[in-house]
Amino acid sequence: GDSVTQMEGPVTLSEEAFLTINCTYTATGYPSLFWYVQYPGEGLQLLLKATKADDKGSNKGFEATYRKETTSFHLEKGSVQVSDSAVYFCALSPYNTDKLIFGTGTRLQVFP
Amino acid sequence: EAQVTQNPRYLITVTGKKLTVTCSQNMNHEYMSWYRQDPGLGLRQIYYSMNVEVTDKGDVPEGYKVSRKEKRNFPLILESPSPNQTSLYFCASSSTSGPYYEQYFGPGTRLTVT
Repeated sequence: GDSVTQMEGPVTLSEEAFLTINCTYTATGYPSLFWYVQYPGEGLQLLLKATKADDKGSNKGFEATYRKETTSFHLEKGSVQVSDSAVYFCALSPYNTDKLIFGTGTRLQVFP
Repeated sequence: EAQVTQNPRYLITVTGKKLTVTCSQNMNHEYMSWYRQDPGLGLRQIYYSMNVEVTDKGDVPEGYKVSRKEKRNFPLILESPSPNQTSLYFCASSSTSGPYYEQYFGPGTRLTVT
């Protein structure tokens, strides 16, 4: 069945470092892809999304490109801040469904 | 303010004592869903509802019930809770009318069953 695999955390970085969180997926057809972020003590919030191959989602300095050839949707940010410390979830929605399948989440810790 | 609310936020109960976690949204969304979040497992869908009086099982429905009598409310019912239902629960809603599938999440309910 459809699934999402994320790199295990925690990812620990210094402020202003470059961030990559890997995400790969298994799905039939053309799913939509998402990154959600969960700040401490809060629910998940949509960070960015992409619905077709080669689309780039971006928000708050974060970017991810839908790569169908490598079935990947890696999250990147050029310069992280302490306020980016959170848990990041990659997710997919299979084509023409209302289902959302999450990865296990990657905790990011940014230190000053 | 557009939001999804859940109550209670924290609950400690004993095995077998029926409980209900409420969920309400003010965005007139058709679709609502319940998830549980467990360490190392991410979020797993329990039940979802496409609209009033329409509900269906997600990936882990055993031990849970839901109802959707009003569009804004989607309560989660545990008729006989057990310790393996200790988890963090999230309610979410979305509108299915657009091409993008974005869910809005509540703040979570942390349930402990002893």
